[in-house]
Amino acid sequence: GAVVSQHPSWVICKSGTSVKIECRSLDFQATTMFWYRQFPKQSLMLMATSNEGSKATYEQGVEKDKFLINHASLTLSTLTVTSAHPEDSSFYICSAPANARGFHNEQFFGPGTRLTVL
Amino acid sequence: RKEVEQDPGPFNVPEGATVAFNCTYSNSASQSFFWYRQDCRKEPKLLMSVYSSGNEDGRFTAQLNRASQYISLLIRDSKLSDSATYLCVVNLSYNTDKLIFGTGTRLQVFP
Repeated sequence: GAVVSQHPSWVICKSGTSVKIECRSLDFQATTMFWYRQFPKQSLMLMATSNEGSKATYEQGVEKDKFLINHASLTLSTLTVTSAHPEDSSFYICSAPANARGFHNEQFFGPGTRLTVL
Repeated sequence: RKEVEQDPGPFNVPEGATVAFNCTYSNSASQSFFWYRQDCRKEPKLLMSVYSSGNEDGRFTAQLNRASQYISLLIRDSKLSDSATYLCVVNLSYNTDKLIFGTGTRLQVFP
């Protein structure tokens, strides 16, 4: 199957700092990628859709100025958590459809990034 | 009402048992349905897609009832390695890859 990587796998930072998370499709191109957040014992919540070459689409309630998304190339999307606070501590996961041609494809998930803000 | 609802469990079953999970979804326009498996602190992995006619993959059987907006997963002959959280997932449209996740049902298989 297709492979999606994320970096870093975990990060601990002080409150007020910004953290960048990378999501890469390793063996396929993805014009669309998705960013999710998962709090303990809760489900994955879609935060935004990352679109290569255009602005990301954010879900209701997600602050676009807080969670900056840049889809720089067909294999890379980045999520930057700006001025992180303890309530931003969570498991952040990205995914990419294996063949983003406008109809549903199997999605492949990155291994996730565990963010802890002190 | 949540878009995808599941009983959170946990379901504690002995090895060899048969266990069934249920899921309901609120949007009647939903087009595609899946079961994902998520191990603790790991990413979700696709277990199986769910087709209208029902489908089976080894010990796993999935059923879809569009009229009732209900999806099920049956696991036969449970193994210790089946212990995980099972996520019911819905795709709203063939024109989008956006997935909506249920909260998951935790399964613990004991010896």
